Amino acid sequence: EVQLVESGGGLVQPGGSLRLSCAASGFTFSTYIMNWVRQAPGRGLEWVSYISYSGSRIYYADSVKGRFTISRDNAKNSLYLQMNSLRAEDTAVYYCARALGRDPHYYYYMDVWGKGTTVTVSS
Amino acid sequence: QSVLTQPPSVSGAPGQRVTISCTGSSSNIGAGYDVHWYQQLPGTAPKLLIYGNINRPSGVPDRFSGSKSDTSASLAITGLQAEDEADYYCQSYDTSLSGWVFGGGTKMTVL
Repeated sequence: EVQLVESGGGLVQPGGSLRLSCAASGFTFSTYIMNWVRQAPGRGLEWVSYISYSGSRIYYADSVKGRFTISRDNAKNSLYLQMNSLRAEDTAVYYCARALGRDPHYYYYMDVWGKGTTVTVSS
Repeated sequence: QSVLTQPPSVSGAPGQRVTISCTGSSSNIGAGYDVHWYQQLPGTAPKLLIYGNINRPSGVPDRFSGSKSDTSASLAITGLQAEDEADYYCQSYDTSLSGWVFGGGTKMTVL
């Protein structure tokens, strides 16, 4: 069964850091592009970051650029999101999502999603 | 403010047909980028519903269909069922933002 399981969420103070993980199983992780997408309480979906198969191409939403770092370890079938200088507006459920589509990457969509991990930034 | 605009809510009676619009601009849908649709049932993760404007993943009923024209796209649901009550999101790519964008979401209520 294709599965993505996020972990690492929790309560953190403004200005703090947190590292999210996403464990993939049931498919060849190294052959898929991966994304992080978040959803603030009661709000819509917001794309956060993209990483290519090998990690050579990485993109971020303007709202997190310079503060968040996406990475992957294909040997461990894992995706990560290092979040620094956290703000209250970063409070959200963070989803790990597998990307699929026709090249170039502009046409990609997310075909498999994890259940999410909750990040709360508050003092 | 989302760059893709969706109506906040739509509703319909069981068996009816409803549509959800997704309006963009020349920097996203109008630039030729594909539109994809997701369904999010209450308390769950989003699920892919339509990809590449018109295609349904395996397992998605043919009651769901997508279309795209110029700077907008639409999701149509025919034979509305109680289980269709959910939030629906469109997604595309935006060249001005250099990233993937979602619509603000539409809450579908089955009367």
